[in-house]
Amino acid sequence: EIVLTQSPATLSLSPGERATLSCRASQSVSSYLGWYQQKPGRAPRLLIYDTSNRATGIPARFSGSGSGTDFTLTISSLEPEDFALYYCQQRASWPLSFGGGTKVEIK
Amino acid sequence: QVQLVESGGGVVQPGRSLRLSCAASGFTFSGFGMHWVRQAPGKGLEWVAMISFHDTETHYADSVKGRFTVSRDNSRNTLYLEMDSLRAEDTAVYYCAKELYEGTQRSIFISWGQGTLVTVSS
Repeated sequence: EIVLTQSPATLSLSPGERATLSCRASQSVSSYLGWYQQKPGRAPRLLIYDTSNRATGIPARFSGSGSGTDFTLTISSLEPEDFALYYCQQRASWPLSFGGGTKVEIK
Repeated sequence: QVQLVESGGGVVQPGRSLRLSCAASGFTFSGFGMHWVRQAPGKGLEWVAMISFHDTETHYADSVKGRFTVSRDNSRNTLYLEMDSLRAEDTAVYYCAKELYEGTQRSIFISWGQGTLVTVSS
């Protein structure tokens, strides 16, 4: 089973700042990594799939990069609605797995 | 637009069974693979199970293998999760999720239901 480790657990930033979230896989997932955003009491929302492809309707301030075992989600300039939980997910092999999450909170 | 509505959650005793349903609308249900993902209270996301669009392929998380069964009825546009031998650690909100692409299996979750809470407790 591929284990995904996200860091940091919590990121405290101000609106307008740049957020950099990390996801590390226990073995290569090639480019088969996605990112989801979740707000309290809501279902997750797909942001990025296959490392760097934005889902329909996702603003350009969200971008993804990486390959193999190390991946990054970058939010170029935080908007108030971006403060939330973020999860990475691999689809390279069964069983599928999610990372433990990074909480982006207002500083 | 795509709608996924889960139902069937509730409080159940350890060792008992429960069946969840996910009613789909707004898309060609028979053309898309479907998944169940759960989230224990205050915890992260855990993928549970997948069924292919043509109903010939299923996969499960190790934590539920042999206890949970995913199925679908394309004539009723409904996804199911039969959960047997339930344990306290199965307590979670269970989401159904739709694949991004039609006619193939990519395990990219583009649409999610609102979730249904399952509580396993005596």
